[in-house]
Amino acid sequence: GENVEQHPSTLSVQEGDSAVIKCTYSDSASNYFPWYKQELGKGPQLIIDIRSNVGEKKDQRIAVTLNKTAKHFSLHITETQPEDSAVYFCAAGAGYNQGGKLIFGQGTELSVKP
Amino acid sequence: DVKVTQSSRYLVKRTGEKVFLECVQDMDHENMFWYRQDPGLGLRLIYFSYDVKMKEKGDIPEGYSVSREKKERFSLILESASTNQTSMYLCASSLYPPGASPLHFGNGTRLTVT
Repeated sequence: GENVEQHPSTLSVQEGDSAVIKCTYSDSASNYFPWYKQELGKGPQLIIDIRSNVGEKKDQRIAVTLNKTAKHFSLHITETQPEDSAVYFCAAGAGYNQGGKLIFGQGTELSVKP
Repeated sequence: DVKVTQSSRYLVKRTGEKVFLECVQDMDHENMFWYRQDPGLGLRLIYFSYDVKMKEKGDIPEGYSVSREKKERFSLILESASTNQTSMYLCASSLYPPGASPLHFGNGTRLTVT
């Protein structure tokens, strides 16, 4: 079945450094790739998403890149701050082509040390 | 802002009990979902619904059922709770299928079955 692999499972960086989280997906029909941030005690919240007709998207300190040929996409956080500490999930979806489902990665626990 | 409200943050139930997890969304979304979150496994889809009275099995439906009598309310039912159903349960809604629009999550219900 469809699968999304996410790495690393944990990531520790110093405040001000960059953080990169990588995901690969198996279903070539996937065309929507959101990233979610889950803070302690809360549900996941969408932070950025990208569609397959775009190779890169930026929103302030956050960027996502997509390589459709290699079937992988990445989240880049620059100038990390302690409030970036959270669990991050990638996901892949293709609307009704995948039965309307999003397939999630396993999650990355990011820790930003002051 | 979309609000997805899960009725309980924490629940402790005994093996064999029938358990109801309630979820309400206030944005008139057609689509609602129940996910289970376990460390190292990411978010796994239990059941989803694209319309009132309609339900579809997700990836791990065994031991669960759902009810959607009204558009804004989606309930997850554990017919006979077992210890392997101890987990964090997340409800979500979306305006369009997840491949076309983001999911909005509640803050989760942490269920412990003893």
